[in-house]
Amino acid sequence: KNEVEQSPQNLTAQEGEFITINCSYSVGISALHWLQQHPGGGIVSLFMLSSGKKKHGRLIATINIQEKHSSLHITASHPRDSAVYICAVRSSGTYKYIFGTGTRLKVLA
Amino acid sequence: DTGVSQDPRHKITKRGQNVTFRCDPISEHNRLYWYRQTLGQGPEFLTYFQNEAQLEKSRLLSDRFSAERPKGSFSTLEIQRTEQGDSAMYLCASSSLASLANEQFFGPGTRLTVL
Repeated sequence: KNEVEQSPQNLTAQEGEFITINCSYSVGISALHWLQQHPGGGIVSLFMLSSGKKKHGRLIATINIQEKHSSLHITASHPRDSAVYICAVRSSGTYKYIFGTGTRLKVLA
Repeated sequence: DTGVSQDPRHKITKRGQNVTFRCDPISEHNRLYWYRQTLGQGPEFLTYFQNEAQLEKSRLLSDRFSAERPKGSFSTLEIQRTEQGDSAMYLCASSSLASLANEQFFGPGTRLTVL
């Protein structure tokens, strides 16, 4: 079992829909990151969370440390949101990052 | 452009050959990471440098892999005696010690194909 699990693996939505991507982890962490990867490989950091909730534009990320779970929400989704969304955790006491396999999101116009 | 750059962007080599990749981080970023990503998977951590010191290395980094960051600026990743299983995208990322969020800025990657 992977130490970082994401669900769903693939997601197709209609433009305007509210989207939720989930990340569960089984190790102790000092931080959790959400990343966006576009076709061709470019990766952009979206959020770093160690507790609570963060919002940036139409993106909201939450984390529950006790439950070892984080969610990424996209409100009013748009075709340009189509990408792979990756959850990554920094393992406690190390510099090592462990990544989920990603959620492939496609938003249809 | 002052982002993270990687060279080359693509490398095709024959099994058994040595290859070296270079990463130039964002200027003054102290932290530098190497990752490997295979198709359909998330990146896998390979190694971490803080300035010139290699502070952590994954067990994935076998004795055929070596990474350096001699002056605390650019870094190189060398793979000796390449195997077909080494075919992957090799990603470099950098961040600043001053960043509490440790926001990592990723390079475009070097895609390695071992024939």
